[in-house]
Amino acid sequence: KAGVTQTPRYLIKTRGQQVTLSCSPISGHRSVSWYQQTPGQGLQFLFEYFSETQRNKGNFPGRFSGRQFSNSRSEMNVSTLELGDSALYLCASSSLTQASYNEQFFGPGTRLTVL
Amino acid sequence: QQQVKQSPQSLIVQKGGISIINCAYENTAFDYFPWYQQFPGKGPALLIAIRPDVSEKKEGRFTISFNKSAKQFSLHIMDSQPGDSATYFCAASVGEYGNKLVFGAGTILRVKS
Repeated sequence: KAGVTQTPRYLIKTRGQQVTLSCSPISGHRSVSWYQQTPGQGLQFLFEYFSETQRNKGNFPGRFSGRQFSNSRSEMNVSTLELGDSALYLCASSSLTQASYNEQFFGPGTRLTVL
Repeated sequence: QQQVKQSPQSLIVQKGGISIINCAYENTAFDYFPWYQQFPGKGPALLIAIRPDVSEKKEGRFTISFNKSAKQFSLHIMDSQPGDSATYFCAASVGEYGNKLVFGAGTILRVKS
């Protein structure tokens, strides 16, 4: 089974621009979560989508948004980029079956650099 | 109350030794406690996880010990190997919203050969 894939792997943007990151979950997984990883703040939960609906949201400003498509693929968007948005953005998928309840599998991440 | 505190920040262990990483939490609603391993340039990989109804879980060289009354849990890596050198994160989540993981700050483990 292929793992979680994220595209692009690396991205360089300038302040004020917007960016869209993509995530394809493991086949059969319907839940997709997004996390931001920085040296200063560590790993922080952004939001989770399940069946095209946002199920959970972390404490990030409204500039961070996401969506999920009917095939479970997900995108996250960051508008009006700030220098502090430079981070590794990680996507994780979960099947939510009784046997693997809560288990999340992470992709390799997208390294975003804001100049 | 949502925090998970992890220690130590870094750890150096000799090959063959035992690596121990500790985590503490405040939110008694947490009911799922995974450990993740991350290598440079990679995403975190699920190592082992435990629920509060058991006090210990072992998978190969990795063991989680869980103390519900103290609100603490720890990862023990037996017979540590240089290939175990990585950053380790503990995490916790609440059942119904189990996919909202709260992570510890991470421990950088270096196993000396």
